[in-house]
Amino acid sequence: EAGVVQSPRYKIIEKKQPVAFWCNPISGHNTLYWYRQNLGQGPELLIRYENEEAVDDSQLPKDRFSAERLKGVDSTLKIQPAELGDSAVYLCASRIPPREVFFGEGSRLTVL
Amino acid sequence: KQEVTQIPAALSVPEGENLVLNCSFTDSAIYNLQWFRQDPGKGLTSLLLIQSSQREQTSGRLNASLDKSSGRSTLYIAASQPGDSATYLCAVGGMEYGNKLVFGAGTILRVKS
Repeated sequence: EAGVVQSPRYKIIEKKQPVAFWCNPISGHNTLYWYRQNLGQGPELLIRYENEEAVDDSQLPKDRFSAERLKGVDSTLKIQPAELGDSAVYLCASRIPPREVFFGEGSRLTVL
Repeated sequence: KQEVTQIPAALSVPEGENLVLNCSFTDSAIYNLQWFRQDPGKGLTSLLLIQSSQREQTSGRLNASLDKSSGRSTLYIAASQPGDSATYLCAVGGMEYGNKLVFGAGTILRVKS
């Protein structure tokens, strides 16, 4: 069975440019997470979906970040415009609660 | 607000040594706790999941314990190997079926051959 798939793995952009990350969770996993991880720190939640509903987006900077999960499967996280401080690894994860959480390889963003 | 602390921040041990990594959390009302491993430039790999009703879980050379009342979990690694070198993270799951995960900053482990 395929794991959580994320793309792109790496992205380098100039500040003020837009960027989008895509996540395909494990089949049947109704809970999907987007986390951001800065160097030397643990992941911090950006948004959590239960099926297609965003149930926890309190830490998502809504002025520049947006996310969607169409049909409760794939998800896209967008940043527009990107700032220097957005440089980080963006991790997608999925699960069938209360079972284990499975993570993708992450998308490393560098904003110049 | 749940806060998770991992001690030590970094650990270097010789091959073959048994070791313990610590995770503490401030709110004992948790549903479960999960330990992960992260290799450089990679995502997180699940190691062990402990439900709040359990005291410990074992997988191979790994044993994780949970003391919910004191807000602590430990990850015990037996007979460490150089391949165990990685960052180890714990994540605490809140009462909503453990869906609200809060992570610690991790312990960087280096096992020297």
